Amino acid sequence: QKEVEQNSGPLSVPEGAIASLNCTYSDRGSQSFFWYRQYSGKSPELIMSIYSNGDKEDGRFTAQLNKASQYVSLLIRDSQPSDSATYLCAVNMEYGNKLVFGAGTILRVKS
Amino acid sequence: NAGVMQNPRHLVRRRGQEARLRCSPMKGHSHVYWYRQLPEEGLKFMVYLQKENIIDESGMPKERFSAEFPKEGPSILRIQQVVRGDSAAYFCASSLDMNTEAFFGQGTRLTVV
Repeated sequence: QKEVEQNSGPLSVPEGAIASLNCTYSDRGSQSFFWYRQYSGKSPELIMSIYSNGDKEDGRFTAQLNKASQYVSLLIRDSQPSDSATYLCAVNMEYGNKLVFGAGTILRVKS
Repeated sequence: NAGVMQNPRHLVRRRGQEARLRCSPMKGHSHVYWYRQLPEEGLKFMVYLQKENIIDESGMPKERFSAEFPKEGPSILRIQQVVRGDSAAYFCASSLDMNTEAFFGQGTRLTVV
């Protein structure tokens, strides 16, 4: 049983476009949701957190949460080649007290 | 404010030896998570600890692996009698509490030869 699911990609977008990354999760009681960016050979870097339904914007990033649909997404506006990385969705599962990661979506921004 | 510190960054062990990985959480953080990332794979949860307590070890292999987070000092992930399949990147993360952001260290890359 998959707990956090992401499309592995790669997702290719042209420079300047909007990249849309999606994630679904299985634990309906989850309360905390995070997006991390991981460059090859590096550690995950937190870029967004969201706790309530709706949108949360931070610079070029917008996280969207829909708890009824158990769905969380990340939009990256004005995508840059430096945004090319693997994006990891993480959910703090109510049961088991653990932060569970999806397998990640590879994003490639072409200049 | 120093981030999460892990050491060593790279560790080479021969089969059958012990590997000991250390993690010092961010200042003020008392929640520590350990994850393993195999080449070309995602992050797999191993264990979640608070000071002196193991909260969730559901991701830990039943044998050879253990973790602790003592009252004083860093959290330690110990792998006894390492095998080649243990070769991976081991990441530690810390957070203020269970529901807030977790920040990762640079990881320890274990190679078993």
